[in-house]
Amino acid sequence: AQRVTQPEKLLSVFKGAPVELKCNYSYSGSPELFWYVQYSRQRLQLLLRHISRESIKGFTADLNKGETSFHLKKPFAQEEDSAMYYCALSGAGGGNKLTFGTGTQLKVEL
Amino acid sequence: DTEVTQTPKHLVMGMTNKKSLKCEQHMGHRAMYWYKQKAKKPPELMFVYSYEKLSINESVPSRFSPECPNSSLLNLHLHALQPEDSALYLCASSQDMSRYSGNTIYFGEGSWLTVV
Repeated sequence: AQRVTQPEKLLSVFKGAPVELKCNYSYSGSPELFWYVQYSRQRLQLLLRHISRESIKGFTADLNKGETSFHLKKPFAQEEDSAMYYCALSGAGGGNKLTFGTGTQLKVEL
Repeated sequence: DTEVTQTPKHLVMGMTNKKSLKCEQHMGHRAMYWYKQKAKKPPELMFVYSYEKLSINESVPSRFSPECPNSSLLNLHLHALQPEDSALYLCASSQDMSRYSGNTIYFGEGSWLTVV
């Protein structure tokens, strides 16, 4: 079975502070990991995927297979980063099918 | 155009009503999905259509009936729903069901359903 765990429901940081949203996964094969973001009153959208190894809006995430983690990081938080962030996994046997974590609400305070 | 369009945005229905949610995309995608999202919970997969054929049904009750009339449209027919079915219903699409780096899943804004 595949499972995604996001231990923090809410993360509050000050503007300019570093951000780390935690994500751990459980999957026996080779998963694809994603971060999706949902800004207030907007649709769920892809932020980044581990296979692309890119930085989007200053965010990066590295897949650590040893620790089965895919934490999302940004060195300096901006007010516009406030949103709900979901970590998601796509397993090899399920095609392009996503299993989401419970989400972390990021609040960036001035 | 990278949009998935869902209608209606809001729907209130009684437990004996029959209603439908509609989803449309014009990206040429051949995989379309229905997800259900309860308040403060993550989206949960309900159905997947691949090339207009039902590919995945995640043990969803029969009071939810999906339909894919063509490659651009996806419907979710609702009948005899319960109050606990009240949720945000998300439609999504992707190029196909394959797992490869460019095969992004695009989500619609969702339809808020309230069953009274």
